[in-house]
Amino acid sequence: AQTVTQSQPEMSVQEAETVTLSCTYDTSENNYYLFWYKQPPSRQMILVIRQEAYKQQNATENRFSVNFQKAAKSFSLKISDSQLGDTAMYFCALYIYNTDKLIFGTGTRLQVFP
Amino acid sequence: GAVVSQHPSRVICKSGTSVKIECRSLDFQATTMFWYRQFPKKSLMLMATSNEGSKATYEQGVEKDKFLINHASLTLSTLTVTSAHPEDSSFYICSARDHGGGRETQYFGPGTRLLVL
Repeated sequence: AQTVTQSQPEMSVQEAETVTLSCTYDTSENNYYLFWYKQPPSRQMILVIRQEAYKQQNATENRFSVNFQKAAKSFSLKISDSQLGDTAMYFCALYIYNTDKLIFGTGTRLQVFP
Repeated sequence: GAVVSQHPSRVICKSGTSVKIECRSLDFQATTMFWYRQFPKKSLMLMATSNEGSKATYEQGVEKDKFLINHASLTLSTLTVTSAHPEDSSFYICSARDHGGGRETQYFGPGTRLLVL
């Protein structure tokens, strides 16, 4: 079975600081992708960053970067220079190509303080 | 680009009535759309996969006769909650896959909050 685990229900960080959100996953498949989605209070799901499992290089999108450790099945998200607008629920998600399903973790609520 | 809309954004209905939620891809064709349900402060759970022109595929535990899905065009999928009950109250989110894009990428709608009294 495929699972996604986010062990941090809530996190907080001061504005301009750096924060790392944890995610581990489990799958026996080889063809998969990993995502981080942001869900602000508006509830709109926004894609933050994606990682192809076959790529060793960690994905980066401006202030957002991931630490993808394939052997450990770990996929953490680092947010640098945190901004108030980063306050949201963050979901880690695993897409399995063979089953065509996107599996979400339970989410981490991030609060950025001024 | 890649915008997905949902209508209505919020609906309140009486127990026993049916409610239809629309999901539209505004600037791309979507042969596949997905319907998720999100309970308060919980994760998204896939309910069903909707393919244009064919029957939807439901996840285990989701009643297909209660949650009717129709995907009649490349830009529209509808979810009808039939004979709604208070336990159906939830946040429903759809997503769509761009027919010309990567299979792994889904674009999400803004969600519909359903409250059944």
